[in-house]
Amino acid sequence: EDKVVQSPLSLVVHEGDTVTLNCSYEVTNFRSLLWYKQEKKAPTFLFMLTSSGIEKKSGRLSSILDKKELFSILNITATQTGDSAVYLCAATEIYNQGGKLIFGQGTELSVKP
Amino acid sequence: KAGVTQTPRYLIKTRGQQVTLSCSPISGHRSVSWYQQTPGQGLQFLFEYFSETQRNKGNFPGRFSGRQFSNSRSEMNVSTLELGDSALYLCASSLAGGLAVGGYGYTFGSGTRLTVV
Repeated sequence: EDKVVQSPLSLVVHEGDTVTLNCSYEVTNFRSLLWYKQEKKAPTFLFMLTSSGIEKKSGRLSSILDKKELFSILNITATQTGDSAVYLCAATEIYNQGGKLIFGQGTELSVKP
Repeated sequence: KAGVTQTPRYLIKTRGQQVTLSCSPISGHRSVSWYQQTPGQGLQFLFEYFSETQRNKGNFPGRFSGRQFSNSRSEMNVSTLELGDSALYLCASSLAGGLAVGGYGYTFGSGTRLTVV
């Protein structure tokens, strides 16, 4: 059965700390790995990774995909209280000419001042 | 450009009733997917529509159905509501869905919070 597993499930850090969130996947017909940030309602898109070993960066956030070992990490440096959220990892599975996202359980990050 | 619009934002229904939720994707996007989010199960795929055709369906009972119109707007319907259907229902819009070379991201709406009492 296809699955995406995130770790840790929750994390409490202080402002300025660096955090690493993990995501492993076992998905048939895998196409891409996506990271989302969910604060209240809509998950907001962070990164989409399709190639192994190429780091994507956006400000203090960065992410990389390892397609051989089937995992991805999301790094957040110099954390701020505004980074507090649930971070979701999702793998895109392709079938029937379409696709679907298979989500992990999420990592709840709490950044204390 | 406008984002993904879901209506209504909140709904309270009684067991046994039916409900229809609406999703308007980003202009030009032809793929609309629906997801159910609950504390216990997380985000689970319901179905995907592309050009008015359902391409994929998740593991949900037949009480969950949907459709897509020619303007790409989509509706999902849940009949004979059960308490366990209480959830946040999210709609995701994509240019072409996961098949596109290189993949396209999915943009989510703010969701409809359904409470069944």
